[in-house]
Amino acid sequence: GAVVSQHPSRVICKSGTSVKIECRSLDFQATTMFWYRQFPKQSLMLMATSNEGSKATYEQGVEKDKFLINHASLTLSTLTVTSAHPEDSSFYICSATTENEKLFFGSGTQLSVL
Amino acid sequence: AQSVTQLDSQVPVFEEAPVELRCNYSSSVSVYLFWYVQYPNQGLQLLLKYLSGSTLVKGINGFEAEFNKSQTSFHLRKPSVHISDTAEYFCAVRNNQAGTALIFGKGTTLSVSS
Repeated sequence: GAVVSQHPSRVICKSGTSVKIECRSLDFQATTMFWYRQFPKQSLMLMATSNEGSKATYEQGVEKDKFLINHASLTLSTLTVTSAHPEDSSFYICSATTENEKLFFGSGTQLSVL
Repeated sequence: AQSVTQLDSQVPVFEEAPVELRCNYSSSVSVYLFWYVQYPNQGLQLLLKYLSGSTLVKGINGFEAEFNKSQTSFHLRKPSVHISDTAEYFCAVRNNQAGTALIFGKGTTLSVSS
């Protein structure tokens, strides 16, 4: 079946540094990818929707200059958390949609900012 | 816009007892409905989904859900739970337009004890 690979699964960084998270669709072309964040014991909140070759659409309250999303190809989307701070520590999950609208999730990235 | 309400934040049950996790949704258009399970520090696993057709949907691990359009509900049920069913359960909704994201409820923690 379709697989979405998310990397890294866990990252620890110092405050002020930037972190890049990759989301790859391994055996299908993802027309649309979504990025979510999840705080401990809370729900998944949609951050942005990205379509290949175009700018991402951010949800209200999500800083687009802080959370840079690049969807350069039909199999890869990246989320870069710029100048990370401890309050950015969270679980980030990507998902990708196939051409026939099936949705698959990555395994998530636990970001810890010290 | 769509929204999801999971009526119970925590549901404690004993092993082999039946369980129902409640989910109500709001939408002005036709929707697709989903239930996901998340084990600690892991990604999401799809339990079942309703797209169209029969309102009773059977999923993995013995779970089932019934779509009730008049009550705008999509409650998840299992006749007999196991210790291993202890996890976080999320109800999610999206409209039937291509390229739209899932909107998640706040989650229900199912705790199964012996």
